[in-house]
Amino acid sequence: AAGVIQSPRHLIKEKRETATLKCYPIPRHDTVYWYQQGPGQDPQFLISFYEKMQSDKGSIPDRFSAQQFSDYHSELNMSSLELGDSALYFCASSLDQQTQYFGPGTRLLVL
Amino acid sequence: AQTVTQSQPEMSVQEAETVTLSCTYDTSESNYYLFWYKQPPSRQMILVIRQEAYKQQNATENRFSVNFQKAAKSFSLKISDSQLGDTAMYFCAFMKSAVQGAQKLVFGQGTRLTINP
Repeated sequence: AAGVIQSPRHLIKEKRETATLKCYPIPRHDTVYWYQQGPGQDPQFLISFYEKMQSDKGSIPDRFSAQQFSDYHSELNMSSLELGDSALYFCASSLDQQTQYFGPGTRLLVL
Repeated sequence: AQTVTQSQPEMSVQEAETVTLSCTYDTSESNYYLFWYKQPPSRQMILVIRQEAYKQQNATENRFSVNFQKAAKSFSLKISDSQLGDTAMYFCAFMKSAVQGAQKLVFGQGTRLTINP
């Protein structure tokens, strides 16, 4: 069965640079969620989209923005990167807004 | 706000044994979902099992089953006949019913489970 696709899988950036993370949900899924997982921590919710509209917002820095496109894929844009942004970023998708299926994650390292 | 607590940071059992992971949560919601996710060393988040709060019957998926006690706000995971591949971090998660838009998952701190040969 098709799964959530995230790209890139690994990303290395310098401080103050910009990064764009992409997420392709499971086919027919209409909802996308973004989570951030720091080392040794549980995943923290950032933002979600349902039918291309922002649905909920968590502890997402103002330096981050995201959107969901007409083909339901989503992008997380991160600007003015800081060392503390180094983390594993997960995208998850759902169809019935009940069960979220996670992608493999993007490992971001900010140097 | 909802909170999820996993009181066992680490657990270790022998292969083929049965192990139970604990999870408690706090909410004023009446309709919600509870999940267990597994995160192996690859760090992929894998859904293990799901429970709807309105269902009294405990969910079961092969060797994995839950003990859902709604009044006590407890949601434990039992793994029977444990296998080496069960070694992972296990996260308990809570989600409100999606009455208005997509709802986020709220995770516990995780329990690191090691299955020894």
